[in-house]
Amino acid sequence: GQNIDQPTEMTATEGAIVQINCTYQTSGFNGLFWYQQHAGEAPTFLSYNVLDGLEEKGRFSSFLSRSKGYSYLLLKELQMKDSASYLCAIMDSNYQLIWGAGTKLIIKP
Amino acid sequence: NAGVTQTPKFRVLKTGQSMTLLCAQDMNHEYMYWYRQDPGMGLRLIHYSVGEGTTAKGEVPDGYNVSRLKKQNFLLGLESAAPSQTSVYFCASRLEGANQPQHFGDGTRLSIL
Repeated sequence: GQNIDQPTEMTATEGAIVQINCTYQTSGFNGLFWYQQHAGEAPTFLSYNVLDGLEEKGRFSSFLSRSKGYSYLLLKELQMKDSASYLCAIMDSNYQLIWGAGTKLIIKP
Repeated sequence: NAGVTQTPKFRVLKTGQSMTLLCAQDMNHEYMYWYRQDPGMGLRLIHYSVGEGTTAKGEVPDGYNVSRLKKQNFLLGLESAAPSQTSVYFCASRLEGANQPQHFGDGTRLSIL
C-alpha cells in the first residue's frame, strides 16, 4: 500500500529552526514535493527533490534519502508568517501525487 | 496572470441537487486535476486530465464527473450531491514533466445539507 507519514502538529519559536519530517512507502518514486498551505488558502509550491541530498532555497531547505524513504523540510530564522501547514507529496509510478495529511506548524513569539 | 481560477468560492447545496464547479487556467498547462481536502486527511485526487478532450479517474471518483472540452477549462460535476461530498475542492494544473509543480486555485468550499 501507499503511506505517507508526517507529524500532525509542531510548535516552534520565532527566530528558531524547525525540521518537519516525512516518511513514505509508495508504489514507485518520481520525486518528492513540499508545499505550504496557510489556513483557508491554496497550497503553494516550496521545493522538489528527486535525488538524494539537500536542496537549499533561502530560509527553506529540503532533504531526501530515497533508500530510507525519508525527507525533511528545514525552516530557518522562523517568522510568524511561517505559521501554516506543510504538505509532503510523493509522485508515484503513475506520475500522480500522493499527499500526506500535512504538518501544522505553530510559531510562538 | 490570473493563474488558476475556481468558481464559485462557496456553495451550499441540498442533498440530491446537482452543480458544476469550474476551473480555468491561463498558463497553457496540459495537466489539470481536481482534489478534495478533508480535515485530517491528505489531498485526494478525484479526476484528472492530461490534455484537452481527455479525462481519467483518480483515487475517489465516485459521485463525480468531469469534462475538459477546452484546454484552459476543467469542469467538475456533482450529479446528485450527498452530505459525504461536503469538502473543500481544489483545482490544480501543471506543465508536462515530472518535476513540474502543480499550481492550485483558491478552492471551493462546498456544504451539502
